[in-house]
Amino acid sequence: KAGVTQTPRYLIKTRGQQVTLSCSPISGHRSVSWYQQTPGQGLQFLFEYFSETQRNKGNFPGRFSGRQFSNSRSEMNVSTLELGDSALYLCASSLSGGNEQFFGPGTRLTVL
Amino acid sequence: GDSVTQMEGPVTLSEEAFLTINCTYTATGYPSLFWYVQYPGEGLQLLLKATKADDKGSNKGFEATYRKETTSFHLEKGSVQVSDSAVYFCALSDLKDTGRRALTFGSGTRLQVQP
Repeated sequence: KAGVTQTPRYLIKTRGQQVTLSCSPISGHRSVSWYQQTPGQGLQFLFEYFSETQRNKGNFPGRFSGRQFSNSRSEMNVSTLELGDSALYLCASSLSGGNEQFFGPGTRLTVL
Repeated sequence: GDSVTQMEGPVTLSEEAFLTINCTYTATGYPSLFWYVQYPGEGLQLLLKATKADDKGSNKGFEATYRKETTSFHLEKGSVQVSDSAVYFCALSDLKDTGRRALTFGSGTRLQVQP
């Protein structure tokens, strides 16, 4: 069974731009969660989607948004990029948002 | 709110040494506990988990026991290898009244194993 895939793996943007990251969960998994990893703040929860609905949200500004499609694939969008948004963005999928989450390799975003 | 505290690294050991990485947690409910490992340039891999008190999770020679009385979930391995060099994250997942879960992570502990 294929694992969680994320595209692109690397991105370089400039301040003020927007970016869209994509995540394809493991087949059959309906829950997709997003996390931000930075050296200063560590791993922080962004949001979770289940059956195309945002079910849980972390403490991030409204510039961070996401969506989920009927095939469970998910995208997250960051608008008006700031230097502090430079991070590794990790996607995780699970069957129904239960205990066990499986992570993708991440997208490394660099904001210049 | 929920929180996870783990020992700061880096932890540097010689091959075949005994490993302990301490992890304590604070949670309002009855969380599930996890250890994840991250190798350079990669995402997180689930190493082991425990869902209730006194459960022992184990995988690839690593073990951790869910201790409710001390709110701890320390990671141990009897004999580390160079290939175990990575960053280890302790995490918890607590079921809220709303039925929602999210992982809360510790800050990570870098392990360096020297041949």
